[in-house]
Amino acid sequence: DAMVIQNPRYQVTQFGKPVTLSCSQTLNHNVMYWYQQKSSQAPKLLFHYYDKDFNNEADTPDNFQSRRPNTSFCFLDIRSPGLGDAAMYLCATSRDRGLRREQYFGPGTRLTVT
Amino acid sequence: GNSVTQMEGPVTLSEEAFLTINCTYTATGYPSLFWYVQYPGEGLQLLLKATKADDKGSNKGFEATYRKETTSFHLEKGSVQVSDSAVYFCALSDEAAGNKLTFGGGTRVLVKP
Repeated sequence: DAMVIQNPRYQVTQFGKPVTLSCSQTLNHNVMYWYQQKSSQAPKLLFHYYDKDFNNEADTPDNFQSRRPNTSFCFLDIRSPGLGDAAMYLCATSRDRGLRREQYFGPGTRLTVT
Repeated sequence: GNSVTQMEGPVTLSEEAFLTINCTYTATGYPSLFWYVQYPGEGLQLLLKATKADDKGSNKGFEATYRKETTSFHLEKGSVQVSDSAVYFCALSDEAAGNKLTFGGGTRVLVKP
């Protein structure tokens, strides 16, 4: 089945220690998104790639960066995680940025910062 | 700007009860509307969508109708099951906002046997 895969499902890192979360997709979609979701809240968009074009949200902290080396993979790098960065991180894809396009979400990576 | 407002949860129901989750929106343009569902510990799954006024989206016994006159997209299911326990998010995408998703705050539904 075509899908969005996130690894690992659970990640523990130490305060200030860089961490990378990964996302891959077999849908061959042009757009890949990263969201942060804190408990009982709606997902918050951090940034997205349209092909190789990176689009950062205005309120995304500089501590968060992303790489997309090819169509299938996208990475979220947190340079110096703080306790406030503990959250579920969701990757999503869509075929393009058309109005009617739904997004397909991965299962998420739950990040714990100790 | 765009916004989505959902009824606050948790909503607790007995099995086979009728479920309604209210959702209203404001949008700059003519949005597409979505309901996503998130089961415990999982990512979001698209439940249904509607792209123009009076469209009805339906899936797995859930329905929602795009009501432009009342700017609403209420989710309904006639007979819920324990397996419907989840968090439900109403969302819109609007060309004026680059077609990014704007989510409501989510409504937690708990169905008891």
